[in-house]
Amino acid sequence: DAGVIQSPRHEVTEMGQEVTLRCKPISGHNSLFWYRQTMMRGLELLIYFNNNVPIDDSGMPEDRFSAKMPNASFSTLKIQPSEPRDSAVYFCASSWTAGGQETQYFGPGTRLLVL
Amino acid sequence: AQSVTQPDIHITVSEGASLELRCNYSYGATPYLFWYVQSPGQGLQLLLKYFSGDTLVQGIKGFEAEFKRSQSSFNLRKPSVHWSDAAEYFCAVGRAPSGGSYIPTFGRGTSLIVHP
Repeated sequence: DAGVIQSPRHEVTEMGQEVTLRCKPISGHNSLFWYRQTMMRGLELLIYFNNNVPIDDSGMPEDRFSAKMPNASFSTLKIQPSEPRDSAVYFCASSWTAGGQETQYFGPGTRLLVL
Repeated sequence: AQSVTQPDIHITVSEGASLELRCNYSYGATPYLFWYVQSPGQGLQLLLKYFSGDTLVQGIKGFEAEFKRSQSSFNLRKPSVHWSDAAEYFCAVGRAPSGGSYIPTFGRGTSLIVHP
């Protein structure tokens, strides 16, 4: 199995630009999570999808952030417009949800730097 | 609200020595508890998890953790550390699911340094 795939692995952009992060979950998994990791705030859950439907987006910082999951094999996290404080490592994770005792598998992350 | 405290930001041990990483949680019900490891530039990998049953949980890479309800703790242990264990370790507590997956809250992590 290829594991969770994220692209790009690194992104450098200028303030005000649109940034799109991509995630391909493990085949057969029905839950997908987006996390953000920073030195200041640690690892935070941004949004969680189950069967392609957003279940909990309470961690999404503000309207500049949006996430979609058009099908079971693809999700995007978009930041528009980007700001320097968005600089972080963004992780995608997926799992097969069956009664809540599943394991989340993390991708390698996308390191975002907004100048 | 659930929370996790990892009191040690850094831990330094010699290769071959034993290891214990501390984790304290706050949660109103029976928690789901996890330990993850993150190597530099990598995502998180699950070491072990506790949902119910035996309070001593065995994980991968020779790690184990013990759930102590009375102390609200879930400390990670390894009897003999290898240089390859140097990494960042995260403890997490999961909110019980409501028709879906657990929602984890992570601690700030403990950085393990291993001296040869």
